[in-house]
Amino acid sequence: GQQLNQSPQSMFIQEGEDVSMNCTSSSIFNTWLWYKQEPGEGPVLLIALYKAGELTSNGRLTAQFGITRKDSFLNISASIPSDVGIYFCAGRQQGGSEKLVFGKGMKLTVNP
Amino acid sequence: DGGITQSPKYLFRKEGQNVTLSCEQNLNHDAMYWYRQDPGQGLRLIYYSQIVNDFQKGDIAEGYSVSREKKESFPLTVTSAQKNPTAFYLCASIQGYTEAFFGQGTRLTVV
Repeated sequence: GQQLNQSPQSMFIQEGEDVSMNCTSSSIFNTWLWYKQEPGEGPVLLIALYKAGELTSNGRLTAQFGITRKDSFLNISASIPSDVGIYFCAGRQQGGSEKLVFGKGMKLTVNP
Repeated sequence: DGGITQSPKYLFRKEGQNVTLSCEQNLNHDAMYWYRQDPGQGLRLIYYSQIVNDFQKGDIAEGYSVSREKKESFPLTVTSAQKNPTAFYLCASIQGYTEAFFGQGTRLTVV
């Protein structure tokens, strides 16, 4: 099955730094979702994007739906220790079913 | 509160044993999904159901079975045919072309 290309795979940063991650696909998507997963828990939705070019913020998080409809990025500003976890992108192909495809995740470590 | 509940949180399986993981949702969502998560491999789709009494195989269905007798429930059975069942299992539900809501997961370990 198709998976999205998510990068980087992991990041180690100092508290207060900004973080940027992205997801790309070879096909056009009409939905991009960003999730955060903490150890031993299910993923929790951070931001949902449904329109090309859409830029949405949720507190210190900002995500954009790429204008080509083949990519999306997520930024975290002024990171704090509780930002640690695995961040997943997920998307839905244009003309496809309601099934989502997922990236492999980015593991974020924040050093206090 | 509306949500999706998985149980148990931890499950241990002996060699050759079938085990069933529970997933219940009260969100009134039509579609439900089961994913397997292994370290570094993201989420892989096992089975999904878009309507009661119907379900489809995902990318890694071998060794698993499901049923969808009620809209609220989508149990997953890990059979003895699944040779490497140790993993974290996630259930999700979706309504239409919107976001997926996940349960808290079940960690299955072979002993």
